[in-house]
This record gives sequence, structure tokens and C-alpha cells, in this order.
Amino acid sequence: SYELTQPPSVSVSPGQTASITCSGDKLGDKYVCWYQQKPGQSPLLVIFQDKKRPSGIPERFSGSNSGNTATLTISGTQAVDEADYYCQAWDSSTVVFGGGTKLTVL
Amino acid sequence: EVQLVESGGGLVQPGGSLRLSCAASGFTFRSHVMTWVRQAPGKGLEWVASISGRGGNPYYADSVKGRFTVSRDNSQSTLSLLMNIVRGEDTAVYYCAKDWQQLDSWGQGTLVTVSS
Repeated sequence: SYELTQPPSVSVSPGQTASITCSGDKLGDKYVCWYQQKPGQSPLLVIFQDKKRPSGIPERFSGSNSGNTATLTISGTQAVDEADYYCQAWDSSTVVFGGGTKLTVL
Repeated sequence: EVQLVESGGGLVQPGGSLRLSCAASGFTFRSHVMTWVRQAPGKGLEWVASISGRGGNPYYADSVKGRFTVSRDNSQSTLSLLMNIVRGEDTAVYYCAKDWQQLDSWGQGTLVTVSS
């Protein structure tokens, strides 16, 4: 079965750029999306089709996907961005999630 | 505005059954694949099942295949998940979500606890 790998944690200082990676075999051939989940809340789609932002998602969120790695980038990270982030791809009629990355803003 | 409201969670004994429901509104329900995702306490997201807009072609994660059944009633805009032969590892918050290549709307989730 297809697997997506994320780092368990990433730390960033306020105002700096945070990058969260997601790796999988030939991931660049698939569409990747990203979800933000804050404690006690449902996941929120922040990036779809590699780099598109849903309505209402701030411009500081961006995405890329090439080769075996997709990346979620948060520019000018704010304290409110502290959350768990999950990548997701679709493979052979199954939905695949990465293990999640806890983003700490300190 | 898209709204997804899950219900039916609770305490169930190992080997027992439980039916979850998700009431959808704010979009043309029959035109969209619908998906169940779960999250065990303190753990990540796990896809459970998806079903096409017309109700055919259900897809399941290996961990639930043969035990869970996803269905939908397009006349009532309702998604269901029948959970049979439940195990301790099925304990989780269960979310329904719209679509499947990207899950663009999620419900608030319903907690299922499997314990004797």
C-alpha cells in the first residue's frame, strides 16, 4: 500500500518561514493536499491540488510537489498557525494520509 | 454553506455493532463522493471508507474491510457507516467529509469507544 512520510515535528520562530515535507514514491505524479488541525477541532483543508488555496485560507500558505516530495510552506508564520498538519494523496481509489507534523511556533 | 453533522457514536462492546450517520446540507449531496475518516485518541488521521455519489463502488481501508459498510441515502442527504465486529483499535473520533481526492469539508466528528 502507498505510504506518505512526514517529520513528526517542526519548529519555527514567529515571522519566519516554516516548511513541512511529505514524501512518497513518485509523489509528484499525484495531487497532494494539506490539512491543518488544531486541538479539539476538525481538520481544515489549506492546500489542494498541490498548490491551490481554498477560499479563506491566507496567502501565507503555499504548496509545491515534485519528484518524491511535497512541501507545505507557511511564510511569515504566526502563532495562530501552531497546529498539526497532514498531507494527503489519492492512490488506486484509496485516500492516504501522512502521519502528521506538529508545527510549533516559538 | 456546507454542513456535515455526525451522530451515533458512543460506547460499544468488543464484537458489537454501531451505526454512524452524517447529515449533509448546503451542497448537492448526490453529486459528491463522501468519505469517512477516523482519528484514534492522540493519533493521526486514517481513511476508513468512501462511496460514490450514486451509492455504488464503495471503497474501504484494509483495516475495516469486511466489517464496516458505508452507504448513503441521497433522498435524505445522509451518509452512514455500519460498524460490525468492532475491536478496541476502532476506538476513534469518526469524521464524515465531502469528496475524496481532497476533503474540502468535514463534520465535527463523533466519538466511538470500544470497551467492555
